[in-house]
Amino acid sequence: GESVGLHLPTLSVQEGDNSIINCAYSNSASDYFIWYKQESGKGPQFIIDIRSNMDKRQGQRVTVLLNKTVKHLSLQIAATQPGDSAVYFCAENVLLSQGGKLIFGQGTELSVKP
Amino acid sequence: DAGVIQSPRHEVTEMGQEVTLRCKPISGHNSLFWYRQTMMRGLELLIYFNNNVPIDDSGMPEDRFSAKMPNASFSTLKIQPSEPRDSAVYFCASSRSSGAADTQYFGPGTRLTVL
Repeated sequence: GESVGLHLPTLSVQEGDNSIINCAYSNSASDYFIWYKQESGKGPQFIIDIRSNMDKRQGQRVTVLLNKTVKHLSLQIAATQPGDSAVYFCAENVLLSQGGKLIFGQGTELSVKP
Repeated sequence: DAGVIQSPRHEVTEMGQEVTLRCKPISGHNSLFWYRQTMMRGLELLIYFNNNVPIDDSGMPEDRFSAKMPNASFSTLKIQPSEPRDSAVYFCASSRSSGAADTQYFGPGTRLTVL
């Protein structure tokens, strides 16, 4: 089932430090995972994705790690900048008879202190 | 390239009124999704279309909600009659396909306030 929380987790980091945002997903059959960034007043923006046959994928300043054993996903942001301040969502693709649909986590708010 | 376009960006209406939200997906994308975002429930999928056909509407909360996609470049989400608990930000997203997992690109959203 979906994990729904009433409180948005927050992470506060110093500019230049590395950030790690964690996410637990619910469906062991999910085959695709995405991290989105949402700034205030905007729609979610794609950051990076990973398929279930991988355990790590790197982008520019971001790395996603997937641990299928414990159904855990993490997003690492290197050298965090003030522009990284936003809410970050993980999403899992749940397979359906026709395609799939994304189930979003509740989100984590990242605050970067200058 | 233009991203997903939504209109209006803000809508304030009174309880009982009909509300129509509009979405233009990215050209060439075959799947379109409607989401609702609230502080209490986060981001929820309401319905999605593949090649203009509704595939999964299990997230549509009530019969007051309906969605259409008359062609590949336009979709509407209608609430009739609207209620204060419908107040939320409604997002439209599109992707190239849903047959295989594919990245969804979100529009800027419509902030709906029902008084």
